[in-house]
Amino acid sequence: QKEVEQDPGPLSVPEGAIVSLNCTYSNSAFQYFMWYRQYSRKGPELLMYTYSSGNKEDGRFTAQVDKSSKYISLFIRDSQPSDSATYLCAMVSGGSNYKLTFGKGTLLTVNP
Amino acid sequence: DTGVSQDPRHKITKRGQNVTFRCDPISEHNRLYWYRQTLGQGPEFLTYFQNEAQLEKSRLLSDRFSAERPKGSFSTLEIQRTEQGDSAMYLCASSRRGGLAGVAGANVLTFGAGSRLTVL
Repeated sequence: QKEVEQDPGPLSVPEGAIVSLNCTYSNSAFQYFMWYRQYSRKGPELLMYTYSSGNKEDGRFTAQVDKSSKYISLFIRDSQPSDSATYLCAMVSGGSNYKLTFGKGTLLTVNP
Repeated sequence: DTGVSQDPRHKITKRGQNVTFRCDPISEHNRLYWYRQTLGQGPEFLTYFQNEAQLEKSRLLSDRFSAERPKGSFSTLEIQRTEQGDSAMYLCASSRRGGLAGVAGANVLTFGAGSRLTVL
């Protein structure tokens, strides 16, 4: 079993839809949780990071962490065609904060 | 442009040849990382530097791979005697030590656009 599991999709939604992306993890040492967005043939760019369980909101994006269930989510409201990309969850433990462990990524397409 | 720069963006080589990739990090970042990403997978950690010191190497980094950061600024990743299995995107990233102020322990990486290697 991989440390981080992420459904690779692909996920296709109409413009304006609410998108839910999820990851589960097995390593209890993970303390910091991040979501990266990666456009085709580009490097990942950081969208959001969270530390504790709960919700964090930034514009149309909401990151949710449930440490008791080892489950994290990213919600995108009012999705736009420009949101079409691969979304990668990433996690890091406090003791080894130089090493991010990524999920496989979920390919999202938002259709106009 | 103050982002992370990688060169070349795409390299096509024949099996058995040596290749070298260069990464220029964000100037005020003292940590530099190399990750590898194959098709349909997330990036996997290869190695990282704090200034010029290489502090950690993944088991993925075989003896054919060597990374350097001689003056604590730019870094190179060399692959000797390339194999078809080396075909991947090689991503460089940089960060400040300790990550974001006020979030102790967080380590937010800024990635470059990557160097894509195709081994024929």
